[in-house]
Amino acid sequence: AQKVTQAQTEISVVEKEDVTLDCVYETRDTTYYLFWYKQPPSGELVFLIRRNSFDEQNEISGRYSWNFQKSTSSFNFTITASQVVDSAVYFCALAFGVDSNYQLIWGAGTKLIIKP
Amino acid sequence: DAGVIQSPRHEVTEMGQEVTLRCKPISGHNSLFWYRQTMMRGLELLIYFNNNVPIDDSGMPEDRFSAKMPNASFSTLKIQPSEPRDSAVYFCASSHRKTGANVLTFGAGSRLTVL
Repeated sequence: AQKVTQAQTEISVVEKEDVTLDCVYETRDTTYYLFWYKQPPSGELVFLIRRNSFDEQNEISGRYSWNFQKSTSSFNFTITASQVVDSAVYFCALAFGVDSNYQLIWGAGTKLIIKP
Repeated sequence: DAGVIQSPRHEVTEMGQEVTLRCKPISGHNSLFWYRQTMMRGLELLIYFNNNVPIDDSGMPEDRFSAKMPNASFSTLKIQPSEPRDSAVYFCASSHRKTGANVLTFGAGSRLTVL
């Protein structure tokens, strides 16, 4: 079965703290993609990153970093020195296969609250 | 670039009425998606168009829902007749073949309330 689990429903931290959002996935496919999308209070989902299953290199973009570990089927997202503007719901998603990889399997989302 | 444009942003209607949601994708994007978001079921893919052709409509809940894409710059999602359980936020998203069908740019959404 293809599945994405975001066990953390809601996380609340004080500004400038580091925070990690967990994502665990299940798939039998050897070719797949993992994603993070952000949904701020305005409602519009924003693409953050896509990784393919053959690239386990971690990625850093400013205060954002992603840790992809196939051994634990996880694709975790860390925000360093969090800011109030990071407050949003964050979704992890999975796409698999070749012809069907337009179909995203979405996690339930983690609501991140950054307090000033 | 104006991004993906959806209208209306909010719609309140009574049960039994017809609802039409509209979407203008990003120019040059060849794939278009309609999603529905609810607290209970999260994000659900309703239909996927590629080059204006419906490829996968398996997520369309029932015959009351229909979607069209008459050209590359416009799509509609119609619900007729509407029911209270259709209340949700409906998102349109588009993507470009170069980045891949699954790298989506979403619109701001249309919040539908059916009374």
